[in-house]
Amino acid sequence: GQNIDQPTEMTATEGAIVQINCTYQTSGFNGLFWYQQHAGEAPTFLSYNVLDGLEEKGRFSSFLSRSKGYSYLLLKELQMKDSASYLCAVADSNYQLIWGAGTKLIIKP
Amino acid sequence: ETGVTQTPRHLVMGMTNKKSLKCEQHLGHNAMYWYKQSAKKPLELMFVYSLEERVENNSVPSRFSPECPNSSHLFLHLHTLQPEDSALYLCASSQDRVGSGADEQFFGPGTRLTVL
Repeated sequence: GQNIDQPTEMTATEGAIVQINCTYQTSGFNGLFWYQQHAGEAPTFLSYNVLDGLEEKGRFSSFLSRSKGYSYLLLKELQMKDSASYLCAVADSNYQLIWGAGTKLIIKP
Repeated sequence: ETGVTQTPRHLVMGMTNKKSLKCEQHLGHNAMYWYKQSAKKPLELMFVYSLEERVENNSVPSRFSPECPNSSHLFLHLHTLQPEDSALYLCASSQDRVGSGADEQFFGPGTRLTVL
């Protein structure tokens, strides 16, 4: 079966760095997405990786290793507004998204 | 604002009621999706429409009935629901036809459904 694993919850301190991991087992691979979802709001797109390596976008970076079935989202200089759930999703061989359950990130002052 | 709107934002219904959820996208996209989001569970894809044709139905119970009258509008008709159907129902859209590329999906704010 297809499976996406990510930690249920993480806590970090304002101003610090946090890494949220995602491992996947899917039938085919056509890219990996990270979305951010604040409580009571819609998920919003953060990043897309289809090739191995690190993609940097401001305070957020996303890394992919296809051979290991592994990705991480790195958040630097954490702000209180970064408190949210972070969803990992993989596009399978049919380009359908397989979603993880999300990681709830709690930022403390 | 993501360019995808959903109404109503909240809905409480009894098990014998019939109601409809509405989604509208203002992005000129060709694909639209219905998802169910339950607490601490992955997003569950319910239905996919590509150029107004249904291309995916992930074994969703018949008490959920989708309708896509045009590429900008998507409905989810609900009847004789069960309490376990209580969840957040999210609509999303993406640029291209499903299966033609791994496109970013734009989500609406969702409808919080409670079935009594």
